[in-house]
Amino acid sequence: SQQGEEDPQALSIQEGENATMNCSYKTSINNLQWYRQNSGRGLVHLILIRSNEREKHSGRLRVTLDTSKKSSSLLITASRAADTASYFCATGVGNNNDMRFGAGTRLTVKP
Amino acid sequence: NAGVMQNPRHLVRRRGQEARLRCSPMKGHSHVYWYRQLPEEGLKFMVYLQKENIIDESGMPKERFSAEFPKEGPSILRIQQVVRGDSAAYFCASSPTRLGHEQFFGPGTRLTVL
Repeated sequence: SQQGEEDPQALSIQEGENATMNCSYKTSINNLQWYRQNSGRGLVHLILIRSNEREKHSGRLRVTLDTSKKSSSLLITASRAADTASYFCATGVGNNNDMRFGAGTRLTVKP
Repeated sequence: NAGVMQNPRHLVRRRGQEARLRCSPMKGHSHVYWYRQLPEEGLKFMVYLQKENIIDESGMPKERFSAEFPKEGPSILRIQQVVRGDSAAYFCASSPTRLGHEQFFGPGTRLTVL
């Protein structure tokens, strides 16, 4: 099975609301990253959090990491229609920092 | 600084033909990763290369698939005798070092096998 698993698989909210996506993983990690993929486009790197960090902010994004629970969350505050995309978490594992991706959360923000 | 470039963006092949996918990493990046995204699935790691070396090919099918990253020029992912199941989006990413650095992704190549 894949290393990172996002939850929920799909999320639909109104513009202005907050969106929270979760990611769980199974093995020890070096870091965890969140990516966004707009339909038909490549992945865009959003934020990286290292295994010794607990929380990180970037603009309207807030990422938390709980290594004891092997989980991470991505919070998007004050969502906009332009935030509509698929969001993937990826864990960096092993000596080569291999990236392991989940299946993604499909976020729809309604105007 | 140009981002990671992949070409072609779209590639159509008939069963049995060869597919060559190219990836030019960001300037100054010597680490390249290839991923495959099958329809309705997440990205899956295929292979990790440094210049002239394959570091980890644990995610790459043993047959028909090969990858290289020569001293000069782009990284190439080669698929011989393509089958319909090879239809997918293939993403390349690069990073300046191996550990702790985010990977920068290219726009992907969408391979369609007829």
